[in-house]
Amino acid sequence: SAVISQKPSRDICQRGTSLTIQCQVDSQVTMMFWYRQQPGQSLTLIATANQGSEATYESGFVIDKFPISRPNLTFSTLTVSNMSPEDSSIYLCSVDYGGYTDTQYFGPGTRLTVL
Amino acid sequence: AQKITQTQPGMFVQEKEAVTLDCTYDTSDQSYGLFWYKQPSSGEMIFLIYQGSYDEQNATEGRYSLNFQKARKSANLVISASQLGDSAMYFCAMRDTGGFKTIFGAGTRLFVKA
Repeated sequence: SAVISQKPSRDICQRGTSLTIQCQVDSQVTMMFWYRQQPGQSLTLIATANQGSEATYESGFVIDKFPISRPNLTFSTLTVSNMSPEDSSIYLCSVDYGGYTDTQYFGPGTRLTVL
Repeated sequence: AQKITQTQPGMFVQEKEAVTLDCTYDTSDQSYGLFWYKQPSSGEMIFLIYQGSYDEQNATEGRYSLNFQKARKSANLVISASQLGDSAMYFCAMRDTGGFKTIFGAGTRLFVKA
């Protein structure tokens, strides 16, 4: 199984500011994913981040709002820009180690509240 | 398009009893994987069990088993001997083999009563 850490674990931010969430993995992985989980909802994929290339964003998510960096095979960041209360969610980093099952493993999540 | 349906928003079970959480899926792919995750109130997503579309045996992991009925496109999670610590949100998910995206159902909240 994976060891995935995220920083910060939670934060309370003011409207109009930005927050960068870090995701660190214990071994090299090709694919990293960022998800958003709004209160009481299921997970929604924001983007897929591959090392050495631009992130691929899902419909409804844009790079200006959620810029992603992937500088190496064990680390990624997601920035939530110009935040509004609607951005209050849990943000989850996920990785795929490859192999037969294609199982995705998740970090502990970042609980964001925007006032 | 792929879709996961969990029709039980909430379930109650008595401690030490078994409980089944329902999941149906829709896909035109022949090769895919089915997953169950547990999300406690802390928010982390914990991987529980995996079933491949070509696996003939139902998957088991400790107290968790997956009742896979391919023709009916269902992948129900069975938790045996429920414990208070099983109280959490449970998500069914699917990923086509070689694909990049995992899609999730709406989830079922399980309450275990002492």
